[in-house]
Amino acid sequence: KAGVTQTPRYLIKTRGQQVTLSCSPISGHRSVSWYQQTPGQGLQFLFEYFSETQRNKGNFPGRFSGRQFSNSRSEMNVSTLELGDSALYLCASSWGQGDPYNEQFFGPGTRLTVL
Amino acid sequence: ILNVEQSPQSLHVQEGDSTNFTCSFPSSNFYALHWYRWETAKSPEALFVMTLNGDEKKKGRISATLNTKEGYSYLYIKGSQPEDSATYLCAFPEYGNKLVFGAGTILRVKS
Repeated sequence: KAGVTQTPRYLIKTRGQQVTLSCSPISGHRSVSWYQQTPGQGLQFLFEYFSETQRNKGNFPGRFSGRQFSNSRSEMNVSTLELGDSALYLCASSWGQGDPYNEQFFGPGTRLTVL
Repeated sequence: ILNVEQSPQSLHVQEGDSTNFTCSFPSSNFYALHWYRWETAKSPEALFVMTLNGDEKKKGRISATLNTKEGYSYLYIKGSQPEDSATYLCAFPEYGNKLVFGAGTILRVKS
């Protein structure tokens, strides 16, 4: 069974640009969550999508957005990039939504560097 | 704001040593607690999902216990090996699939 895949793995952008990251969940999984990890910070929840609808949102500015397609693949977009957006962005997939016992499976992440 | 704390921040042990780390979480409204292992350049890997009615969980040399009344979980590694070197994370489900993570414990095992 293929794991969660994320593309690209590495990305370098400059301030003010926008970026789109992609996540393909495990086949059959319908929930995709996104997390950000910055130096000195733990994993911070960005948002969750289930059945093409955003179900939860973390405490991030509106520059961070996402969407989910009918095949459960998800993209997240960051507009007007700031230096502080440099981080590792992880996505996680699970089959269900709203169940605290749901095991979540993580991708390898996209390392974004903003210059 | 929900707070999940892990200690120690880092740990250096010799091969063969046994070790343990702590995860503290809110004791009210407990449903589950997740433990992950995150090796450098790899994806975080789920170790255990600790539940209210669960007993000690075990996976090879790694085990975890839970105390929901006082709000903590211990992760134990028996006879540490260099391949156990990783960051160990605990996460508390806040709502939906939103996990609130602790900062992690970095374990380095020297051979």
